[in-house]
Amino acid sequence: DTEVTQTPKHLVMGMTNKKSLKCEQHMGHRAMYWYKQKAKKPPELMFVYSYEKLSINESVPSRFSPECPNSSLLNLHLHALQPEDSALYLCASSSIDRGLNEQYFGPGTRLTVT
Amino acid sequence: SQQGEEDPQALSIQEGENATMNCSYKTSINNLQWYRQNSGRGLVHLILIRSNEREKHSGRLRVTLDTSKKSSSLLITASRAADTASYFCATNFGNEKLTFGTGTRLTIIP
Repeated sequence: DTEVTQTPKHLVMGMTNKKSLKCEQHMGHRAMYWYKQKAKKPPELMFVYSYEKLSINESVPSRFSPECPNSSLLNLHLHALQPEDSALYLCASSSIDRGLNEQYFGPGTRLTVT
Repeated sequence: SQQGEEDPQALSIQEGENATMNCSYKTSINNLQWYRQNSGRGLVHLILIRSNEREKHSGRLRVTLDTSKKSSSLLITASRAADTASYFCATNFGNEKLTFGTGTRLTIIP
C-alpha cells in the first residue's frame, strides 16, 4: 500500500471554529510532514514528525497544532484561523532510514476560512 | 524561502514534442528530486538523482544534474496530454527536509 490518505477533501470553517485535518499512511514510514500550498506556489513546509516526535516546526503560528498519535497517523488541529490561511494542506510521509527522503503525498485538504 | 528556481515558469508544447524544464539551486545537496502535481491535487514523486550521479532515466523521463553549476534539468520525451501538470524540483540535504523550487506549469496541446 503506497497511499497516503487525507480527510476531509474539502473544509470550510469560520474564524472561530475548531477543526482537524487527518492523514494516514501504512507504508511503515517514520517521517510525516504537513505542507501548506497556495495557488500557483510550491508547497511550504510547516511541520515534520520523525519517529512520532516533532522535529521541525517552520515557525508556524500557534493556531496550527500538529499531533502524531502513532506512526501511521498525523493530525493538524486548527483553531481561530484567518482568511489568509485558506490553502491546500498536504500531508506526506517518507522513509528516513535510507537518507533519501523520497516523499509520498496525500491528495490534500482544500481549506477555506470564511 | 524556496531554494530552487525553475524555468520556464510556464511551457506550452504540442503533443508528441519534448519538454525540458530547468532547476537551479544555491547550496550543496545530497540529492535532487522531481515531482509532478496535477491541478489542485497531491504531488507525485517522479525521479531522484543523487549528488554523485550525472544522469538518470525513468521511462520517458531523463534527468541531469550538474553540481558544479548547481542545476538540474528534466526532459519529458514524446509528451502526452496527460503530462499536463506542474513540475517541481526539490532539493534534499540528507535530512528530513525537502526544499521545493518555484515550479514549471506544463501544458500539452493535443
